[in-house]
Amino acid sequence: ELKVEQNPLFLSMQEGKNYTIYCNYSTTSDRLYWYRQDPGKSLESLFVLLSNGAVKQEGRLMASLDTKARLSTLHITAAVHDLSATYFCAVDMDYQLIWGAGTKLIIKP
Amino acid sequence: NAGVMQNPRHLVRRRGQEARLRCSPMKGHSHVYWYRQLPEEGLKFMVYLQKENIIDESGMPKERFSAEFPKEGPSILRIQQVVRGDSAAYFCASSPPGRAGNTIYFGEGSWLTVV
Repeated sequence: ELKVEQNPLFLSMQEGKNYTIYCNYSTTSDRLYWYRQDPGKSLESLFVLLSNGAVKQEGRLMASLDTKARLSTLHITAAVHDLSATYFCAVDMDYQLIWGAGTKLIIKP
Repeated sequence: NAGVMQNPRHLVRRRGQEARLRCSPMKGHSHVYWYRQLPEEGLKFMVYLQKENIIDESGMPKERFSAEFPKEGPSILRIQQVVRGDSAAYFCASSPPGRAGNTIYFGEGSWLTVV
């Protein structure tokens, strides 16, 4: 059974700081997604990582995928308050997405 | 091109009533997926459907839950005799045929509250 583990589950940080969220998974997969969710809202697709070594950047967020280590990272650079949300990684198992528990990120001014 | 449409967005049901959640996939998409999100948790796969076929329902509770995707009309997730534990957000997603390389698209979700 595929397991997806995110850490940390909760992160409180100051604006301007850098931090990384980790997503480990237990079975081979070559496709991984990152989503953002605001409280009571739907899911916003951030990144789709399709191959080993893939790196994508959008604004202050950068995601990478290492399929050999079964690890993806979401790096936040110079955090701003607007990035406060819950971030999920999801691993693609053919047609089914297996989700991490989410990382609740609070960025304090 | 309209996205994945779900309705209702919010639904309140008393224990024992039925809940029906609807999902219209994106135009040209013939694959529909339902996921459930309990409070403060990640999403859990429930069922994968193609037109008139249930492909994988391994994530569906054995009782009270059913799903369909008829030839015409939206996909329906039906929950009979709801209980408080069914309170959750239910997300529908769709994808076109030929999954490889394609991103799936999520709807806005339906929030079910059982009182």
